[in-house]
Amino acid sequence: AQTVTQSQPEMSVQEAETVTLSCTYDTSESNYYLFWYKQPPSRQMILVIRQEAYKQQNATENRFSVNFQKAAKSFSLKISDSQLGDTAMYFCAFMGPYGGSQGNLIFGKGTKLSVKP
Amino acid sequence: DAGVTQSPTHLIKTRGQHVTLRCSPISGHKSVSWYQQVLGQGPQFIFQYYEKEERGRGNFPDRFSARQFPNYSSELNVNALLLGDSALYLCASSLTIQSGNTIYFGEGSWLTVV
Repeated sequence: AQTVTQSQPEMSVQEAETVTLSCTYDTSESNYYLFWYKQPPSRQMILVIRQEAYKQQNATENRFSVNFQKAAKSFSLKISDSQLGDTAMYFCAFMGPYGGSQGNLIFGKGTKLSVKP
Repeated sequence: DAGVTQSPTHLIKTRGQHVTLRCSPISGHKSVSWYQQVLGQGPQFIFQYYEKEERGRGNFPDRFSARQFPNYSSELNVNALLLGDSALYLCASSLTIQSGNTIYFGEGSWLTVV
């Protein structure tokens, strides 16, 4: 069974600085999808970034980028120029290669990020 | 365009009661999934429905059931509520059930069981 591990329960960063959130996963599949979701206090889960395992190039979305290390089964999120609005819980999630009943997300326990002024 | 909408946003139930949670997917999305998020944890998959058929089920007891209607909206039902069912219930939608589809979440329904 696939598992997702986020080893940092809480992190803090000063506004405008850079922070990296860690995520490791376990799977025997060679093709899969990885996601980072943000959950602010409003509780709505918002997609931050998406990575397809068969693509070697790391995904980027504005200030958000990932470091995808397939062999190490590592998928970290880097937030550059941190803003107060980045304060939230961040969840790493895995989706297997098959649709249907395997098309659901498996989440880690999350990392609570606080951006300080 | 409206996102995934859920109702009610908050509710309190007594142990042993029944609850129904409702979800409307993003327009054009045919797949709806339900997740349970206990405080301090990541969401856990409960059900996935596509074209009104159950396509996936997580490790939850039979007290949990769901259905999808012809307009692709969905209901999650929980019978014989336990204190441990207190959680945020998230509905999510996607275009299809093809793997890799981006999944969009609603704001959730907060259920408190007393």
